[in-house]
Amino acid sequence: GESVGLHLPTLSVQEGDNSIINCAYSNSASDYFIWYKQESGKGPQFIIDIRSNMDKRQGQRVTVLLNKTVKHLSLQIAATQPGDSAVYFCAETPGGGGGSNYKLTFGKGTLLTVNP
Amino acid sequence: DSGVTQTPKHLITATGQRVTLRCSPRSGDLSVYWYQQSLDQGLQFLIQYYNGEERAKGNILERFSAQQFPDLHSELNLSSLELGDSALYFCASSVVDRGHVQYFGPGTRLTVT
Repeated sequence: GESVGLHLPTLSVQEGDNSIINCAYSNSASDYFIWYKQESGKGPQFIIDIRSNMDKRQGQRVTVLLNKTVKHLSLQIAATQPGDSAVYFCAETPGGGGGSNYKLTFGKGTLLTVNP
Repeated sequence: DSGVTQTPKHLITATGQRVTLRCSPRSGDLSVYWYQQSLDQGLQFLIQYYNGEERAKGNILERFSAQQFPDLHSELNLSSLELGDSALYFCASSVVDRGHVQYFGPGTRLTVT
């Protein structure tokens, strides 16, 4: 498959600008879509999620948009800060109650670099 | 700090050997997940346990096995190690009704020489 790491898509922005990170997903049956942030040397960290019956959800400085027609997910970060520099992964999961299948299928990741 | 702990942080071993990676979930989380992160395959789901029972399986090799104990900690066993098994191995945990919100540990970096 396509390589992560050295061949990650990259996005470079200036501090204070807005950032938009895009992701294409594959499984129409997925019920939850999630964005994770991974800083160097750390595990992925949950940012925001959206359920399949929604098309927009806002958090603190972040907005996730879901377009099921074209299977596209995006993460918007407002007023990007140097601390936002990281690899951002989209993920999808079928979900399910009672502790059933919540395996996450991750996208390839986008490296965001924020220049001061 | 996510509240998920993993040991060891680094592991260097030779081909053919067997290792055990350990994970303690966040207090109260019943679900534990294992993921492998490598440069060529990205983040790949391996296996999920819920309250001691296997719930979902991903691209986990037959040489790999896992279990979740009554105290909810989990172990991932990797045997007959090959060079290609070198990767970061993450454990994550979640609550029952929001399993898509997973809290990841710091990972174990495995190097097979």
